[in-house]
Amino acid sequence: AQSVTQLGSHVSVSEGALVLLRCNYSSSVPPYLFWYVQYPNQGLQLLLKYTSAATLVKGINGFEAEFKKSETSFHLTKPSAHMSDAAEYFCAVRGFTGGGNKLTFGTGTQLKVEL
Amino acid sequence: DTAVSQTPKYLVTQMGNDKSIKCEQNLGHDTMYWYKQDSKKFLKIMFSYNNKELIINETVPNRFSPKSPDKAHLNLHINSLELGDSAVYFCASSQTLNQPQHFGDGTRLSIL
Repeated sequence: AQSVTQLGSHVSVSEGALVLLRCNYSSSVPPYLFWYVQYPNQGLQLLLKYTSAATLVKGINGFEAEFKKSETSFHLTKPSAHMSDAAEYFCAVRGFTGGGNKLTFGTGTQLKVEL
Repeated sequence: DTAVSQTPKYLVTQMGNDKSIKCEQNLGHDTMYWYKQDSKKFLKIMFSYNNKELIINETVPNRFSPKSPDKAHLNLHINSLELGDSAVYFCASSQTLNQPQHFGDGTRLSIL
């Protein structure tokens, strides 16, 4: 079975500061990993994905994530936070169940960006 | 154009009622999903259909019944609504089983 753990349900940064959102995974097979963002009253939007190619993955809105097998981590970073980055962020791992494409989500991290 | 659209956006109803939520995707995707997001924002998959065939059916009460009339639609019918059904329900789709999922904006269900 696959699972992800997001450390820190709330993260607060100043505008212009580094954003670091942590995600650790557990998987019995090589994982496919994803980061999604959810703005208030909206659905989830894919930020980036890791599918066993390059370990450093670049996504939209200046975000990137690095897959580290030795640390079983897939942390999300952005060099300089913007007010518009305030949202809920979800890490997810894809498992296979009977051929299905089942995403297992972490509990989410609420990012707050302050002036 | 909305890629994955759900109706209604808000649904307020009383315990014991039966209700449906509709989902349509205009992306030409083969696979569609229903997720439930609880009050703590925890997201869990409920069902998945691939080419109108049910492929994922998590531990969900049988009061919940998905129906896929065609590849572009996956509706969710809920019988005998209970207080614990209050949540945001998200529909999603992916081109195939192995592609990233695109989400709708959710249906906020409130049971009185």
